[in-house]
Amino acid sequence: DGGITQSPKYLFRKEGQNVTLSCEQNLNHDAMYWYRQDPGQGLRLIYYSQIVNDFQKGDIAEGYSVSREKKESFPLTVTSAQKNPTAFYLCASSPAQGAQEQYFGPGTRLTVT
Amino acid sequence: QKEVEQNSGPLSVPEGAIASLNCTYSDRGSQSFFWYRQYSGKSPELIMSIYSNGDKEDGRFTAQLNKASQYVSLLIRDSQPSDSATYLCAASGYTGGFKTIFGAGTRLFVKA
Repeated sequence: DGGITQSPKYLFRKEGQNVTLSCEQNLNHDAMYWYRQDPGQGLRLIYYSQIVNDFQKGDIAEGYSVSREKKESFPLTVTSAQKNPTAFYLCASSPAQGAQEQYFGPGTRLTVT
Repeated sequence: QKEVEQNSGPLSVPEGAIASLNCTYSDRGSQSFFWYRQYSGKSPELIMSIYSNGDKEDGRFTAQLNKASQYVSLLIRDSQPSDSATYLCAASGYTGGFKTIFGAGTRLFVKA
């Protein structure tokens, strides 16, 4: 069964702690993305990667970090430097970077108190 | 600032009616356009993509694109209560690197 998995579904952390969100895909897609969604707002791009060992900042990269050591995996770390980390985090992938459709994982809802 | 604008709604239609969802985009370099359906608490699901001017039909869904007017629409025929969701419009193109811009979505409510 091909698809994108994200874990965990819900995550609770105390302020000041770093937390890593997992994203794995078995679609053999080259490009992967991390978005953040807040109530009433569109998706905002955090980071994206077109190829293994390469990634670029999106519109709201401050306070986040990523790695792309394997084609299948694109984990996101939310650091303590992120001022307002509570949000719904969505990972997506597309066959290649470009004007192509993106497919989303189920998301991780992070709550930081 | 490249934008994709949608009416937030809610758009309320009776069961069996046609729901019409609209979207405008600011970047004339946009090449590809997508509609996603997002149920409450869930992730977006791709339902339609359109790349050239005109209409594209898939089952009860029709996407319409007018690049001259920078306008994209989604028609849902024979609307069902299960169509009640938020619909996100997205535009993708190359301006200093490919990027997809998402609208904030229109909430659709189909009344049984």
